[in-house]
Amino acid sequence: ETGVTQSPTHLIKTRGQQVTLRCSSQSGHNTVSWYQQALGQGPQFIFQYYREEENGRGNFPPRFSGLQFPNYSSELNVNALELDDSALYLCASSISGTGGPYEQYFGPGTRLTVT
Amino acid sequence: AQSVTQLDSQVPVFEEAPVELRCNYSSSVSVYLFWYVQYPNQGLQLLLKYLSGSTLVKGINGFEAEFNKSQTSFHLRKPSVHISDTAEYFCAVWAMYSGGGADGLTFGKGTHLIIQP
Repeated sequence: ETGVTQSPTHLIKTRGQQVTLRCSSQSGHNTVSWYQQALGQGPQFIFQYYREEENGRGNFPPRFSGLQFPNYSSELNVNALELDDSALYLCASSISGTGGPYEQYFGPGTRLTVT
Repeated sequence: AQSVTQLDSQVPVFEEAPVELRCNYSSSVSVYLFWYVQYPNQGLQLLLKYLSGSTLVKGINGFEAEFNKSQTSFHLRKPSVHISDTAEYFCAVWAMYSGGGADGLTFGKGTHLIIQP
C-alpha cells in the first residue's frame, strides 16, 4: 500500500511569484486536506477537497486555491507569494464523506521558502 | 470555533522515566481528539485517537491518553520512554458539526519531548 506522497520536497520562490504543490493520496482514499505548518507552530488547516470540490476551508485568503483530480491526487496553488508563506505544507488523505472524523494520513510535506 | 492548548512547549525526561504531555481544548460543540507525532523532517503520524467509548485509549509505541470531558483535557502518557521517542507531539481536535462541510483538524502548538540518557 502506497502512502501519501508530496512533491517537490523543497522549493525556493521569490515574493510575488506563484507556486504549485502536489500530493498523491493513499490508495483508496477519496478526501484530501492541506495544512500549513510555520516554523515552531502546529499545522493550520487550509482546505479540504472531497469529490473534486472544496468542502471546507480555514482562515486563508483566496490566493490559496486547490484542485482535486479524479484519481484523488491534489494540487495546492498559492499566488502572489508573501514572505509569511514560508512554511512546511502538509497534505493529508482520508476516507470520508463530508465532515469527518476519519483518520488522516499525512505526507512528508513540502518545505517552501519565499525570499 | 475550537482551540487546543498544549501547556508545555518542551518536556525533558530521562530515559526509562514516565512522561505526561498535557493537552486542553475548548469547543462549543463536541469534538474528537487525536495525538500525532512528528519526527525531524517528517510528516505527522497518528499515535492514538478518541472518538467515543472508553475514555482511556491506547495507541502505538506504548502511548496512551485519557479523555476527561469535565476538564476538557486529553493528556498523553507513556510509562517508560526511550531515546527514540524524541520528537514533536501535537494534540488535535476535530469538531463534530452536523451537516456537511469540514473544518479540518485544529492543532496545538506542539510539545517537544526531549529524552535525556
